[in-house]
Amino acid sequence: DAGITQSPRHKVTETGTPVTLRCHQTENHRYMYWYRQDPGHGLRLIHYSYGVKDTDKGEVSDGYSVSRSKTEDFLLTLESATSSQTSVYFCAISETDYYGYTFGSGTRLTVV
Amino acid sequence: SQQGEEDPQALSIQEGENATMNCSYKTSINNLQWYRQNSGRGLVHLILIRSNEREKHSGRLRVTLDTSKKSSSLLITASRAADTASYFCATPPDNDMRFGAGTRLTVKP
Repeated sequence: DAGITQSPRHKVTETGTPVTLRCHQTENHRYMYWYRQDPGHGLRLIHYSYGVKDTDKGEVSDGYSVSRSKTEDFLLTLESATSSQTSVYFCAISETDYYGYTFGSGTRLTVV
Repeated sequence: SQQGEEDPQALSIQEGENATMNCSYKTSINNLQWYRQNSGRGLVHLILIRSNEREKHSGRLRVTLDTSKKSSSLLITASRAADTASYFCATPPDNDMRFGAGTRLTVKP
């Protein structure tokens, strides 16, 4: 979607390696979110940010960390990837914490 | 845990028919939102209904909200093959948005 990009789009990595996914926005929105989507679970929130250097945990944050040093970038890091973290990861942005979200196109991560 | 739960999990209809999907939620909300996801893509925001609204329209979409039953419905009228997608309801408790597992809609030409 225009205004939000995720990179990479696809990644295969080995168990135990660190992985960083990037979300970049050009909308100057305050709020940014990382979700994972798995069959049967819908979307589950990993971490979110409500401003530069302001982040908080979601419902499935174990094994993940985030950083937001600039308004436009929100990084998701898997410190030591595990097979259970194989998933599709979506970034989303919003102007407020209760209005409609704009989603990126997703990153398909496979941990082998 | 998921805040919104969609029903049915899957729905298959013919082009031109109407499609109705339901969503139930657990806690009080200030609004409820519906999203569409085409295969392999991110979610797209369709419509938002506030807690003090009972019905809202957008093109071929009609959303209702019953806060006493903690439920919402999404009606797509005169469906098209291009409406084939998964549909999610979402509610914003506190600072994040909780999504259900979605309804997979298939519209056959």
